[in-house]
Amino acid sequence: QITLKESGPTLVKPTQTLTLTCTFSGFSLSTSGMGVGWIRQPPGKALEWLALIYWNDDTRHNPSLKSRLTITKDISKNQVVLTLTNVDPVDTATYYCAQTPKWLNFYFDFWGQGTLVTVSS
Amino acid sequence: QSALTQPASVSGSPGQSITISCTGTSSDVGGYNFVSWYQQHPGKAPKLMIFDVSDRPSGVSNRFSGSKSGNTASLTISGLQAEDEADYYCSSYTSTSTPVFGGGTKLTVL
Repeated sequence: QITLKESGPTLVKPTQTLTLTCTFSGFSLSTSGMGVGWIRQPPGKALEWLALIYWNDDTRHNPSLKSRLTITKDISKNQVVLTLTNVDPVDTATYYCAQTPKWLNFYFDFWGQGTLVTVSS
Repeated sequence: QSALTQPASVSGSPGQSITISCTGTSSDVGGYNFVSWYQQHPGKAPKLMIFDVSDRPSGVSNRFSGSKSGNTASLTISGLQAEDEADYYCSSYTSTSTPVFGGGTKLTVL
């Protein structure tokens, strides 16, 4: 059974760095083709893809946010970490992590429940 | 990287069929057969319904089908049921080797 769960702060101040952790089970990020990505959704708005990391350390970032995003993985802990620097109230959103089983295909077949992050002073 | 264009809302009666469109460009939808569709109920995480334009994951009803023509992909739901009422999002691979989502469509079952 594949599960993913997001964790991190629920409230962050403007200009701070947001760090979110995705802890997963039921698959290995050392399996060829496997990847884990982050997607966010501001309240009442559409999904926005953020970043993705693959089994081979290939990383992809949303071009509009690339300078602010970092994604890393820890195989031994079954975790993927996303950092977003210099946050702003517009970064308030539910952040999801999700698994993609096929390199550069970009569909996400298992999702975490999401974690709501509010950016406010 | 512009979001794909979807109608804001569609509606249909139980038993009917509806189609949701997803329009992009030759740099995304039109250029690759990597379009996926997600269903999202209020307060829930998205659920994959279609991948690779027209493939269904195991467990997804065959009432859901996907297709593509030119720069527009489509999701068709036949035999509409009350539980199909949700938001639907399309996504596509792009020429920058990153994905992009659509703006979402709210499906109302009358």
